Amino acid sequence: ETGVTQSPTHLIKTRGQQVTLRCSSQSGHNTVSWYQQALGQGPQFIFQYYREEENGRGNFPPRFSGLQFPNYSSELNVNALELDDSALYLCASSYRDPGGYGYTFGSGTRLTVV
Amino acid sequence: DAKTTQPPSMDCAEGRAANLPCNHSTISGNEYVYWYRQIHSQGPQYIIHGLKNNETNEMASLIITEDRKSSTLILPHATLRDTAVYYCIVRPSTGNQFYFGTGTSLTVIP
Repeated sequence: ETGVTQSPTHLIKTRGQQVTLRCSSQSGHNTVSWYQQALGQGPQFIFQYYREEENGRGNFPPRFSGLQFPNYSSELNVNALELDDSALYLCASSYRDPGGYGYTFGSGTRLTVV
Repeated sequence: DAKTTQPPSMDCAEGRAANLPCNHSTISGNEYVYWYRQIHSQGPQYIIHGLKNNETNEMASLIITEDRKSSTLILPHATLRDTAVYYCIVRPSTGNQFYFGTGTSLTVIP
């Protein structure tokens, strides 16, 4: 059983640029969620995808967008990067109704915006 | 918004039990209590969860008070590798997001 894998592990971008982060879900999981974790803070929910459609969104602007593919892998896209977007971005996969074990998280992508 | 309150930091001697408290006074009847931990530079790791009853697994025990307004995570024999930030989270059984607070930074001391 493979876990959640994210790529790249580290990334440096310039303010105003666009970035795409990738996530492969744990085998058998059909739901993927993305979280942003600023330094010293707990993760903040960005959005969740199920059956390739957005299924819930946190307090993030539209320049944060995502995709989920038929194989349940996912992308997080951020346009017009701002300095405050610098954070650890975490992907988490689960079954549709994780009343059980909740989410399996990846190790994250560390994004630095300069 | 986070629905839990945890102390910002705790220390525990290696080999002793670590007892991490969490207040969730506004918890609803259908909300589970989850515990995750995050070791530096890694993603959060699932530890345990429960609804009403106390729970135990190979990693930890979860004690939930009868009124469900608070809980305690117990690591029975803490090791140095248990040094991490521990998050207590409540969420509905059908909800689609976790609200993380700032957690408790546990340091296990040799």
